[in-house]
Amino acid sequence: DQQVKQNSPSLSVQEGRISILNCDYTNSMFDYFLWYKKYPAEGPTFLISISSIKDKNEDGRFTVFLNKSAKHLSLHIVPSQPGDSAVYFCAASARGNTPLVFGKGTRLSVIA
Amino acid sequence: GAVVSQHPSRVICKSGTSVKIECRSLDFQATTMFWYRQFPKQSLMLMATSNEGSKATYEQGVEKDKFLINHASLTLSTLTVTSAHPEDSSFYICSARGPGSTEAFFGQGTRLTVV
Repeated sequence: DQQVKQNSPSLSVQEGRISILNCDYTNSMFDYFLWYKKYPAEGPTFLISISSIKDKNEDGRFTVFLNKSAKHLSLHIVPSQPGDSAVYFCAASARGNTPLVFGKGTRLSVIA
Repeated sequence: GAVVSQHPSRVICKSGTSVKIECRSLDFQATTMFWYRQFPKQSLMLMATSNEGSKATYEQGVEKDKFLINHASLTLSTLTVTSAHPEDSSFYICSARGPGSTEAFFGQGTRLTVV
């Protein structure tokens, strides 16, 4: 039973446009959400996070939105750049020292 | 962000031998370390959680006698794949978290190929 779902395995966007990556979760105990970026044969790199007490967090070109009632979060990248092409993982964590639960990832391709 | 170093990045071993993978937190004390495994085009699957000085907690389906985890210090955890078989070939990634922190930082991963 997948607790964190990324239903789009891939996304293709033109350079300069907005990329929107979506993530849904089922566990209401999750209160902290993170996005990681991953290149092939490398470990994930932390990108941005959001606590359940917020509904938006922005860092440069990256913004994460959280809709707790819908158990949905999204990552917006604007403007998208070719270097953003990677697999993006959504992860969630419950309170306390619990491990991150990952979605299956979305492969973003930004086309020049 | 914090730095986690994982070594080796790539290893090829013969079937039946053992392989040790190291995970070090370079600039913070990692009270908890997590070991993940990733199959091609799949998500990161948690194998085990280890707290410094304690025995690791393994996820269901992960053989603890096959995947030995040691977290003897606040900066080092090791994963030893014992009696490796070709089906153990995978990408193994460690993650470390400091005390009171929710964020986890990842190592570079280890590509294990068992021939």
